[in-house]
Parts: sequence; C-alpha cells; structure tokens
Amino acid sequence: KQEVTQIPAALSVPEGENLVLNCSFTDSAIYNLQWFRQDPGKGLTSLLLIQSSQREQTSGRLNASLDKSSGRSTLYIAASQPGDSATYLCAVRPSGANSKLTFGKGITLSVRP
Amino acid sequence: GAGVSQSPSNKVTEKGKDVELRCDPISGHTALYWYRQSLGQGLEFLIYFQGNSAPDKSGLPSDRFSAERTGGSVSTLTIQRTQQEDSAVYLCASSFLSGRRGTDTQYFGPGTRLTVL
Repeated sequence: KQEVTQIPAALSVPEGENLVLNCSFTDSAIYNLQWFRQDPGKGLTSLLLIQSSQREQTSGRLNASLDKSSGRSTLYIAASQPGDSATYLCAVRPSGANSKLTFGKGITLSVRP
Repeated sequence: GAGVSQSPSNKVTEKGKDVELRCDPISGHTALYWYRQSLGQGLEFLIYFQGNSAPDKSGLPSDRFSAERTGGSVSTLTIQRTQQEDSAVYLCASSFLSGRRGTDTQYFGPGTRLTVL
C-alpha cells in the first residue's frame, strides 16, 4: 500500500527565504507526482505535475524535483512571500490504469513579513 | 472556462439523516474523483469514475456511502444514516484522461463541508 509522508507538518520562515518542502513515498511504481496548494477553507490548486520519466518541473518561483528510485520529491520555493502561506500537499498516482491519488498530510507554511 | 463546482458549500445535518453532495466537473473531463478531508486524517480517496462507471470504489468507508455519475458529467455522493464521524470536507476533482501523458492533472472543486450533529 502506497504511503506518502511530508515532514515537518508545519514550517515558519521569514519573507525572502528560499525553502524546500519534502515529500517521500514508499512505492516507486508511480505514474506521476503532483504538488498542490490549499488555502484555509478552500479547495486544492494544482501547482506542478511531474511525470515518472521526468526529473523536475518549474513554474515561476516554484521548482519540483522527483527521484523515483529513492521515493522522494521536493518543492523548492524561491524568495518566499507572505502570499505563499498555505498548506502544500504532494500526491502520487500509481502506475497502471487506476488514476486515484494518494496524498501526504501536507506541510503548513507560514511566511512572516 | 468554469472550474469544478460543488454544492452545497456547507451542510449541517442531524445524525441519522441522509445527505446528497453534488459535483459538476469541468466540461469535457472524462474522469471524476471524490476525496474526503478530515481533521488529522489528511485527504482520503473515496471513489473515481471513468465516464459513468466506477472502476475503483475501494475508498468508500462503508455501505452507507454510494455515488453515481450520469451522462458522463454530474456526480452525486450520497451518505445514508449519517454518523458524527462522517463530518469532513468532501472534495471532488476531475481530469481529462486521454492516455497521453500530461493530460491527467486533477482539478479540484472548493469542497462541501459536512457537519453531522
């Protein structure tokens, strides 16, 4: 059974700092990995999707990497801003026809002005 | 275009009552997913539809939970005889599964917050 872990559960940093959010998964037979952002009381917004054959994806100040063999992904946020404060979740889709996602519990990020 | 919509946004019900939650996916998306987000539990998969059929119902917690999708579009999640432990945010997502890589990003709705008293 796939398990996805995100540690720490919460993180507080000063504005402007570059930071890395970690995600690990137990079963490397994945189709893709997706990073989401969730603001309080809101749904999930997709940030980046990395296919199993890819090593990284970039969007603006965000860069996500994937090391499938070691079961790890990182989300790098450059020059953090207070508006980046949210919960960040990673989710993996298994190989094969089943497209359901298994989520980590998320990392709640607070960026202090 | 319009995103995934869900209704109601909030539902308060009494223990033992039945509830129906609705999801309108993005137009043209072939796959539709239901997840549940409970405090301290994270996001759990419930069921997904490809077209009108449900290849995977493995996440449904009990036989009190059922879901259907009609016309390859709208889906309804029904919870019968609600219990307090059913209180959670129920999230719906949709995606366009064409078999080609890069087309299966899941887009989420805002969720329905269910409170069972």
